[in-house]
Amino acid sequence: EAQVTQNPRYLITVTGKKLTVTCSQNMNHEYMSWYRQDPGLGLRQIYYSMNVEVTDKGDVPEGYKVSRKEKRNFPLILESPSPNQTSLYFCASSFGTGLEQYFGPGTRLTVT
Amino acid sequence: GQQVMQIPQYQHVQEGEDFTTYCNSSTTLSNIQWYKQRPGGHPVFLIQLVKSGEVKKQKRLTFQFGEAKKNSSLHITATQTTDVGTYFCAGRNAGGTSYGKLTFGQGTILTVHP
Repeated sequence: EAQVTQNPRYLITVTGKKLTVTCSQNMNHEYMSWYRQDPGLGLRQIYYSMNVEVTDKGDVPEGYKVSRKEKRNFPLILESPSPNQTSLYFCASSFGTGLEQYFGPGTRLTVT
Repeated sequence: GQQVMQIPQYQHVQEGEDFTTYCNSSTTLSNIQWYKQRPGGHPVFLIQLVKSGEVKKQKRLTFQFGEAKKNSSLHITATQTTDVGTYFCAGRNAGGTSYGKLTFGQGTILTVHP
C-alpha cells in the first residue's frame, strides 16, 4: 500500500531533550516536506527536500534540522526542543515539486 | 515573504446550502492546490490549478484560479454532512529561487448542520 508513515505518532518530552521524528514513503517520491499545524495558523512549511541531499528552508525552519540521505526517508530533528514547538507535525511527499502531495498521519508533539 | 490569506476562518451552514472559501496571495502564484482535512485526519489533495482563469469541477465542488493568478476560490454546491472538515489552499510563488516552497492558507473550517 502506497503510504507515508511517521513515527512516533504521539510524543511528550521535556525542554532541551533532543528528539527525531521519522518520515518514510514507499512511493519513490522525489519531493518531501515537513509542516507544522497550529490552530488558526494553518499548515506552515518547516523544511523541504527536492531530492536526495537537497534540502531547503520553508517558512518556519528555526529550531529544526532535516536530512535526506535516502530517497525514502526525511527525518525531522529537534536538537533542543522548546515549548513553542508543541504542535501537530505532518510529513508529505510527492513525485515532484509542484505536484499532488501525500501526507502522513501526523505526529502530535508536546514539549513541557 | 509570500503570504496566502484564506477567508472565512469558520463557516457554519445548513445541509443543502452552498459554501465558498477564498484565497488571496500577496504574490503571483505558479499554481495553487486545494486540500481537505477531516477532523482528526491528515490533509488530502483535492485539485491543482495552473492556468490563469482556470475553472475545474469535481461533482459538487468548483475551483477557480484568478486571472492574475493571485487568488482562488472553492465553491461547494448543496453541502452534505460528508463535506465537514477544514479546506486549505496552498500556493507556490511564481518568481524567485525557492521553487519548492509551498505556502498554505490558514484554512476554512466547515461545519454542516443536518
